[in-house]
Amino acid sequence: DSGVTQTPKHLITATGQRVTLRCSPRSGDLSVYWYQQSLDQGLQFLIQYYNGEERAKGNILERFSAQQFPDLHSELNLSSLELGDSALYFCASSRRDRGRMMERYFGPGTRLTVT
Amino acid sequence: DAKTTQPNSMESNEEEPVHLPCNHSTISGTDYIHWYRQLPSQGPEYVIHGLTSNVNNRMASLAIAEDRKSSTLILHRATLRDAAVYYCILRPRGSGGGADGLTFGKGTHLIIQP
Repeated sequence: DSGVTQTPKHLITATGQRVTLRCSPRSGDLSVYWYQQSLDQGLQFLIQYYNGEERAKGNILERFSAQQFPDLHSELNLSSLELGDSALYFCASSRRDRGRMMERYFGPGTRLTVT
Repeated sequence: DAKTTQPNSMESNEEEPVHLPCNHSTISGTDYIHWYRQLPSQGPEYVIHGLTSNVNNRMASLAIAEDRKSSTLILHRATLRDAAVYYCILRPRGSGGGADGLTFGKGTHLIIQP
């Protein structure tokens, strides 16, 4: 158990819909990362938040957005869903130690199926 | 970004040592070498990291070539639970609060035979 929790575990929805994935980081971790893993693309970095502020963007589509709340949990919002958005979505967290980001702890993921 | 090259897959027998290679010929002097693994149906898991010297922890050992252009992750006694995809990743030393997305490649699919 990494200490990172993600809900829901599974999500099935239709094209055009909007969903929200939730992540709670490990206690004390200020940084949250979102990743998408599909069969053909592998593990792709989407976005990073640090203490409530967006810190880095990866291959995140404009239809996707995220935020990190004052209690440090994060939500990933996916809208206008397409079949190709079906994937595993992982959240990870890490902390800083003497100015350096430490190793990443990943949650168990949310499996999104768009039909 | 400096890239890494790993074999697509490797096979080993249970209770034998496993050496997983990674080439990173364009590594810069400030890049750390990180290894993560992903067990089936789970999120990636940190294994080990190093800069220049060889490193050991409870999970594995990391052997880094003197010129730092390659490294080897060593599992001393593989078990069936070690069957996973292993990712070798370069991470700039200065990744404090800045962009720190960790770029995962395809990794090596390690198969353990009983």
